[in-house]
Amino acid sequence: ETGVTQTPRHLVMGMTNKKSLKCEQHLGHNAMYWYKQSAKKPLELMFVYSLEERVENNSVPSRFSPECPNSSHLFLHLHTLQPEDSALYLCASSPGLAPYNEQFFGPGTRLTVL
Amino acid sequence: AQSVTQPDIHITVSEGASLELRCNYSYGATPYLFWYVQSPGQGLQLLLKYFSGDTLVQGIKGFEAEFKRSQSSFNLRKPSVHWSDAAEYFCAVGVRAGGTSYGKLTFGQGTILTVHP
Repeated sequence: ETGVTQTPRHLVMGMTNKKSLKCEQHLGHNAMYWYKQSAKKPLELMFVYSLEERVENNSVPSRFSPECPNSSHLFLHLHTLQPEDSALYLCASSPGLAPYNEQFFGPGTRLTVL
Repeated sequence: AQSVTQPDIHITVSEGASLELRCNYSYGATPYLFWYVQSPGQGLQLLLKYFSGDTLVQGIKGFEAEFKRSQSSFNLRKPSVHWSDAAEYFCAVGVRAGGTSYGKLTFGQGTILTVHP
């Protein structure tokens, strides 16, 4: 595997379910990100991790819970979601946190909440 | 706060025609500027970036962009579009998040490019 991978690619869940999204980067980067991409809205930054430490929680509801066990893996735990949470969830990584660093994106997980 | 505007939501061009996608940003200092492309069902891929120096930057797939400070613009261009260029294009500004030691990207809403044969 190369680059940034995300699993699953598609997920359908009910409002009472608990599920997790997984992201893995094979680039040796130190920073990882979760974004939400909804139709007709700009990408929304959700969380930022640097060396497994969360440095940003962008006013995200607590029903989204991130976890970064090491610098290569990032999870997004989901519980009691709402239909408006249906979106494409993108993971990204970058060499570091400086604003000039290119971010490398995974293919995303298409989430549908029923 | 910084912002990015992509005035065109959807652009249609014929294959072989030239292309220009517009991007305007709002930020107090010189930002780091990026163009990303997203094909259907895929993540975002970097086309090119501007940090400093020559205001005309070359990217992958034959794309280029020009930074114009006086107009706060960073428009993306390609002289001859191929059918495979059909995708959604995002302009982004990288700035240091206020009061923190890290940077963050602010994205425009994207421009969808359709290419007619």
